[in-house]
Amino acid sequence: EPEVTQTPSHQVTQMGQEVILRCVPISNHLYFYWYRQILGQKVEFLVSFYNNEISEKSEIFDDQFSVERPDGSNFTLKIRSTKLEDSAMYFCASDPGGYSGNTIYFGEGSWLTVV
Amino acid sequence: AQRVTQPEKLLSVFKGAPVELKCNYSYSGSPELFWYVQYSRQRLQLLLRHISRESIKGFTADLNKGETSFHLKKPFAQEEDSAMYYCALYAGGTSYGKLTFGQGTILTVHP
Repeated sequence: EPEVTQTPSHQVTQMGQEVILRCVPISNHLYFYWYRQILGQKVEFLVSFYNNEISEKSEIFDDQFSVERPDGSNFTLKIRSTKLEDSAMYFCASDPGGYSGNTIYFGEGSWLTVV
Repeated sequence: AQRVTQPEKLLSVFKGAPVELKCNYSYSGSPELFWYVQYSRQRLQLLLRHISRESIKGFTADLNKGETSFHLKKPFAQEEDSAMYYCALYAGGTSYGKLTFGQGTILTVHP
């Protein structure tokens, strides 16, 4: 069965550094998402991406965050200048859309630790 | 704003016993509700969604709009059901995929 893949599985970075988290969504899916989960807290929606643009974003997704689908297969989340509070598990997800919309497939997550 | 509450962080049952994982939501419109499961060291997986009205791995969930609940039930729990379970709500909007999750319930099924 096709899966969403994410790299790296774990990254440690210094505060203020830029981080790029990478994802390969399931091919032929149309919607792409990033979620995060701070340790001990709820899974939170960050952003949705459709037709090469952001379709919705949460309050968490401020100017420090950006997403890109540079080559038609990868989907990246960039954090420009990381803060301690960005430490979390980041989940990428994709969705076929259409009649099967909201059938969301998650990746295994990228654990980001900011020190 | 919408909210999803799972009142039990931990739930323990014995194999063969019935299990019910509670989920309550607050939302003024007509939401779409989901249950996701995360087995140990695995990814979040969709277990079921209320519009499908299907039973997956013996689990069922009925949307009760009067009580604003979407409890997950299984009549006879199995050890392999031990996992983290998340209830989630989709409130509509400009895009699919903006889910609001509950805190999650860790289910442990003892032999």
